[in-house]
Amino acid sequence: QVQLQESGPGLVKPSETLSLTCTVSDGSISSYYWSWIRQPAGKGLEWIGRMLTSGNTNYNPSLKSRVSMSVDTSKKQFSLKLSSVTAADTAVYYCARSDYTASFDYWGQGTLVTVSS
Amino acid sequence: SYELTQPLSVSVSPGQTASITCSGDKLGEKYGSWYQQKPGQSPVLVIYQDTKRPSGIPERFSGSNSGNTATLTISGTQAMDEADYYCQAWDSSTGVFGGGTKLTVL
Repeated sequence: QVQLQESGPGLVKPSETLSLTCTVSDGSISSYYWSWIRQPAGKGLEWIGRMLTSGNTNYNPSLKSRVSMSVDTSKKQFSLKLSSVTAADTAVYYCARSDYTASFDYWGQGTLVTVSS
Repeated sequence: SYELTQPLSVSVSPGQTASITCSGDKLGEKYGSWYQQKPGQSPVLVIYQDTKRPSGIPERFSGSNSGNTATLTISGTQAMDEADYYCQAWDSSTGVFGGGTKLTVL
């Protein structure tokens, strides 16, 4: 059973960079897309972006100028960086896997990131 | 940018059929997925590729997608099905979610 676990600071200051890591357990990291999805409290889901282990990435156009993703296959981890954060970036951040079906079949438990000084 | 529109809320009596719609331009030409999210939990995939159920998802969950509308149908709705439901599709390699529908079973 594939397991995903997000990790990173729970508090980030405005204008700084949010950095999160997702660790994949009990499964291959290759041949899948790995996405970041966020959800502000009481609101809906927003897709941030995805990447393959080959390095191919797709980002949400609304966040593209501030987002970067990377992967460390040896550690079975992929990472998210979101720069110049504001209070509007406060949300629960999820990592998720998608395969050839293009659906998100495995999700992490989510991690709350608060942007505040 | 591409948008998916869902009703904010749907109510259903136990044992009855609930239908949740998701509308988007030419959505029927794309594959749609549906996710169930209960309070404090991560979303769970309940329908993928418009009509398919992942292993472990009850048969009462079904989906369809045609024209501009995808529909999630829950037959014989149970109290445990009360949750938020999100549709999702891809538009030019960009993931898009609907705004979510709160399903109330009462």
